[in-house]
Amino acid sequence: SAVISQKPSRDICQRGTSLTIQCQVDSQVTMMFWYRQQPGQSLTLIATANQGSEATYESGFVIDKFPISRPNLTFSTLTVSNMSPEDSSIYLCSVEGRVWETQYFGPGTRLLVL
Amino acid sequence: QQQVKQSPQSLIVQKGGISIINCAYENTAFDYFPWYQQFPGKGPALLIAIRPDVSEKKEGRFTISFNKSAKQFSLHIMDSQPGDSATYFCAAEFGRKLTFGTGTRLTIIP
Repeated sequence: SAVISQKPSRDICQRGTSLTIQCQVDSQVTMMFWYRQQPGQSLTLIATANQGSEATYESGFVIDKFPISRPNLTFSTLTVSNMSPEDSSIYLCSVEGRVWETQYFGPGTRLLVL
Repeated sequence: QQQVKQSPQSLIVQKGGISIINCAYENTAFDYFPWYQQFPGKGPALLIAIRPDVSEKKEGRFTISFNKSAKQFSLHIMDSQPGDSATYFCAAEFGRKLTFGTGTRLTIIP
């Protein structure tokens, strides 16, 4: 499985500000995914990021709120814009494995918005 | 619309016992069913997975049972150990997208 790192691991932010989360993979991968996990809840897919194309967002998530970059096959960023306390969550990136249905997750970024 | 239902929400099992977590899905297009294990402060880790053309898959103490006609699948943890205490998520995949169940918090007591 791929080794995935995320930065920052956690942050406390003020409402109205933005935070950019980085996801780095130790090997080239085609598909990267961003998820949100609200406290004590399940994981919800935010968007799929394919290198060289615009990210595809799931229902309820929009590019203006969660812009995503995918500049190469090992890196992606997710920005949480104009944050409110409701954005307090764990944000996780995942990558597709060699068996393309499998996904491997990073350690997550724990965000608290005050 | 929740497409993958998971139960129970929490489970307490004695050490050495069998832990059983159940999931049911609605979308028959799902074609891959993984289970993830998540420890506090960590990301989910892929535990075991099954495709719908197989009724059972075993890896060590972990077994997935799959009932395609009933649209149900379950995770069995044999000889449960305190180190198995974690939150478990079932998931279903279609079109390279995962839909997760709501999670089961498993606690193994001595």
